[in-house]
Amino acid sequence: AQTVTQSQPEMSVQEAETVTLSCTYDTSESDYYLFWYKQPPSRQMILVIRQEAYKQQNATENRFSVNFQKAAKSFSLKISDSQLGDAAMYFCAYRSAAFGNEKLTFGTGTRLTIIP
Amino acid sequence: DSGVTQTPKHLITATGQRVTLRCSPRSGDLSVYWYQQSLDQGLQFLIQYYNGEERAKGNILERFSAQQFPDLHSELNLSSLELGDSALYFCASSALDRGTGELFFGEGSRLTVL
Repeated sequence: AQTVTQSQPEMSVQEAETVTLSCTYDTSESDYYLFWYKQPPSRQMILVIRQEAYKQQNATENRFSVNFQKAAKSFSLKISDSQLGDAAMYFCAYRSAAFGNEKLTFGTGTRLTIIP
Repeated sequence: DSGVTQTPKHLITATGQRVTLRCSPRSGDLSVYWYQQSLDQGLQFLIQYYNGEERAKGNILERFSAQQFPDLHSELNLSSLELGDSALYFCASSALDRGTGELFFGEGSRLTVL
């Protein structure tokens, strides 16, 4: 079974600075997806960014980018120019690309605080 | 708006009672997933249905059951409720083709058991 580990329960960053959230995962598969979801106080699950394992290029979405290291099974999220609205729980998630195994497996989350 | 609709948004009930949570997936999505999020915890996978059939099972208690109907909406039934069942229950849906791999989440149903 796949597992996802987020070793930083809490992180804080000054507004406008850059922060990196860590995620590692364990799998024997070669084809899969990785995601970062944001959960603000409203508790809605919001997709931040996604990465397909067969793509070597790191995904980028505006101020959010990832560092995907497939051999190391590492998938970190970098948030640049942090804004107050970025304060939330961030969950790393894994999804197999295998047919019949489509569920997401989540890490335990990192609570990000933005310091004004 | 993810396109996934969950009702009710909030529910307060007593121990020993039974509740039903309802989910309507995004238009065209045949697969529905249920997740449980206890206070300040990660999301735990409960069960997945695809086109009316159970497809995968996670850490779902025997007191819980789910089904997916011909119109593709799904219901999660929780019975003999205990205090520890208080949680946020999410429904998500997806297509099964490779696509983006993304699951689309509803806003959740917050269950409080007193």
